[in-house]
Amino acid sequence: ETGVTQSPTHLIKTRGQQVTLRCSSQSGHNTVSWYQQALGQGPQFIFQYYREEENGRGNFPPRFSGLQFPNYSSELNVNALELDDSALYLCASSFLAGPTTKQFFGPGTRLTVL
Amino acid sequence: GQQVMQIPQYQHVQEGEDFTTYCNSSTTLSNIQWYKQRPGGHPVFLIQLVKSGEVKKQKRLTFQFGEAKKNSSLHITATQTTDVGTYFCAGPMNYGGSQGNLIFGKGTKLSVKP
Repeated sequence: ETGVTQSPTHLIKTRGQQVTLRCSSQSGHNTVSWYQQALGQGPQFIFQYYREEENGRGNFPPRFSGLQFPNYSSELNVNALELDDSALYLCASSFLAGPTTKQFFGPGTRLTVL
Repeated sequence: GQQVMQIPQYQHVQEGEDFTTYCNSSTTLSNIQWYKQRPGGHPVFLIQLVKSGEVKKQKRLTFQFGEAKKNSSLHITATQTTDVGTYFCAGPMNYGGSQGNLIFGKGTKLSVKP
């Protein structure tokens, strides 16, 4: 096990609602990245937080936002949910050390939007 | 834009047969990482290759990084039912403004018939 935890495990929402997903990083890791994994696809990078600031963003709209807290736990917020937001949301923690950084994934939150 | 492609998408083998998945990047990579995701699980880090032409072995798994650092392969000798899962390759993103974030291939889903 990686020591990265996520909550909740599963979540069902309806279109237009807002959702908050939570992640607790592995001890000693100061960086967290969030990924979206649609069914049958590889994970897609949403954004990364390093020392409580956004440190890079993938091709996701502004309604995807996040926070990182002093204890390095993190939140992913999605506003105005759309059906296509249904996916497994993964957080991955790491100790930022350049492009060869190894990432440790949590078990994910499976979001279903109806 | 930057792409990482994997083939085949699916592979069904008889237990004991060999298995290979191939990964190709549209850009030169500083390193490549391989992850395994069991059904219903999350990606688990397997290995990272950094040097041109590098070959690494983990028991029955052999990983190669191409000379041009744009392709890679994973070969499993004498597959077992425990090898079932989806194998992803991933390389560092060259956009998004942050280090350590990954662009994943779509994965190769391996099924093993006992």
